[in-house]
Formats: sequence, C-alpha cells, structure tokens
Amino acid sequence: NAGVMQNPRHLVRRRGQEARLRCSPMKGHSHVYWYRQLPEEGLKFMVYLQKENIIDESGMPKERFSAEFPKEGPSILRIQQVVRGDSAAYFCASSTGLEGAKDTQYFGPGTRLTVL
Amino acid sequence: SQKIEQNSEALNIQEGKTATLTCNYTNYSPAYLQWYRQDPGRGPVFLLLIRENEKEKRKERLKVTFDTTLKQSLFHITASQPADSATYLCALGGSYIPTFGRGTSLIVHP
Repeated sequence: NAGVMQNPRHLVRRRGQEARLRCSPMKGHSHVYWYRQLPEEGLKFMVYLQKENIIDESGMPKERFSAEFPKEGPSILRIQQVVRGDSAAYFCASSTGLEGAKDTQYFGPGTRLTVL
Repeated sequence: SQKIEQNSEALNIQEGKTATLTCNYTNYSPAYLQWYRQDPGRGPVFLLLIRENEKEKRKERLKVTFDTTLKQSLFHITASQPADSATYLCALGGSYIPTFGRGTSLIVHP
C-alpha cells in the first residue's frame, strides 16, 4: 500500500512565477490536509479538503494561495506570483475521515519550494 | 492564544538510556495528543495518540503520559538507540486539525 505521494520533491521558482504542488493521498483516504513548515518552526496548518470540497481553509493566506482536491486526480496546492517568503517545505497529509477529530494523519515526504 | 512548548534545545543522551521529551501547553483543552517523529528532509511519522481520559500509553519502547491538570505530556524512549535520533513533534487536537509544536531534537550517542 503506497503511502502519501508528493511531487515534485524539490521545486525552484523565480519571484512572480507560479508553483503547483501535487499530493496523492493513501489508497482509501478521502481527506487531505496541507501544512507549511519553515526552518526551526512547527508545522502550520493551511487547508483541509475532501474530494471536491474545501472543509477548512482558515490557515491559507487570503491572496495568491489556492487548493483543490478534484474527484479524480491529486490534490493541488497552487501559489501564484511567488515571493521569497513562500520558500518553505510544504507537507500534505491524508486520512480516512472515519474517526473525525481523532483521525490519524499520514504525511507525505514534502515539497521543498525555493523562490529565487 | 493557544501555545504549545517543546524544548528547543537538543536532547543529547547516551545509547541505552531513557530519553524523556516534554510537551507543555497553555490556553488549550485538547481532546487528544499525538507524538510524531520527523527525520531531516522527511515528513512526520505518526507514533502514538493518547486521549484526554488516558493517563499513559505504551508501544514497544515508547511510553507517553498525559496530565491534563499539569497541561503536560511526557514522551519516553527506553533503551534508546542511535537510530532513534530525530526530531519529535507533539500535536494537540480537539477538532480535526491538530496544532503542532516546533519539536525537540533527540541525539542518541553510541
């Protein structure tokens, strides 16, 4: 059973470009979470999605950031017009959604975004 | 505001000893607490979950305690090995979104 897959693992963008980060959840998981981690900082929640539905996006910056989880295909975190401050590791996690608040989240390996 | 504190200084111990990591929190009444392991360049890996009505949980060489009065969780690794060297994160949850601490680095010396 493959774990959570994220790609690319490393992404370099110049200021003003767009970054697209992809996450394929574990088989049987219908819930996806995106987090951002800066050096020496904890994981910061960004957005929680089910297929075709955003459940909670309270951690997402209001501008330039968007996320989707279509019926078919991976979840996408999109960052438009990237700035140097967007450089970070972005982690995706998935869960079954069966235990609600106590669902165990399984994390992917992360995408390390560097903005030049 | 909610605050989770984990020791920012690395914990250095000798192989075979018991490592104890601390997670303190304020302004929070979590329904559960989780511990994760994170290796450099990798995503966190879930280790243990303990619920608010549980005092202690064990899994192989791992033991977690949860004191809701002290607002503290202790994470123990007995008979530690160099392979246990990693950063350990605690996460508190009441809803579906856990809040993570910054983690404590553990270094086990052979």
